Amino acid sequence: GAGVSQSPSNKVTEKGKDVELRCDPISGHTALYWYRQSLGQGLEFLIYFQGNSAPDKSGLPSDRFSAERTGGSVSTLTIQRTQQEDSAVYLCASSSIAGAGREQYFGPGTRLTVT
Amino acid sequence: SQQGEEDPQALSIQEGENATMNCSYKTSINNLQWYRQNSGRGLVHLILIRSNEREKHSGRLRVTLDTSKKSSSLLITASRAADTASYFCATDSPSGTYKYIFGTGTRLKVLA
Repeated sequence: GAGVSQSPSNKVTEKGKDVELRCDPISGHTALYWYRQSLGQGLEFLIYFQGNSAPDKSGLPSDRFSAERTGGSVSTLTIQRTQQEDSAVYLCASSSIAGAGREQYFGPGTRLTVT
Repeated sequence: SQQGEEDPQALSIQEGENATMNCSYKTSINNLQWYRQNSGRGLVHLILIRSNEREKHSGRLRVTLDTSKKSSSLLITASRAADTASYFCATDSPSGTYKYIFGTGTRLKVLA
């Protein structure tokens, strides 16, 4: 079956512009996660959803970052007034439900470059 | 801050040799997972070990967990060039919410 997909795969934007990153989780997966990975670094947790609600937004770096999920499926991560330090690969993952011991399935990521 | 930290940061071995990577974490956990990230292939789940388990095997992978030392190790036996990748441990959050905290990763290079 189809895995997690993300779009766009690459995004180049000018500093100050807004961007939207999209994640399509595996069908039927109720938990969805967003991470950020800077070059050569580990994954930085941003936010996760269980259904349409976000129990944990603690990883969002600033109020320029927001995310939503509708219909328990597609999620959009929005970065407003982008800064150069926002440049990174943004990874989305889904799991069958949120919970301890659940394997996460990752998408290929969106590489964001802010010029 | 990172919950898990892997060491070494980088490891280079010859094909056929064993590779051992270690992960240390800071607070109690329910379980720990290992993931592999190939360039261009994204992150793939390898194995999960629960806090009440001490060792687990999957093919050429062996994972150990020592909760008293708050550490885990991943052993890859008879390594292959295709094992070249970055390996991350991920621990469940001590905050009680269902998120995982990833470590900084070990970059493994297997030379043919």
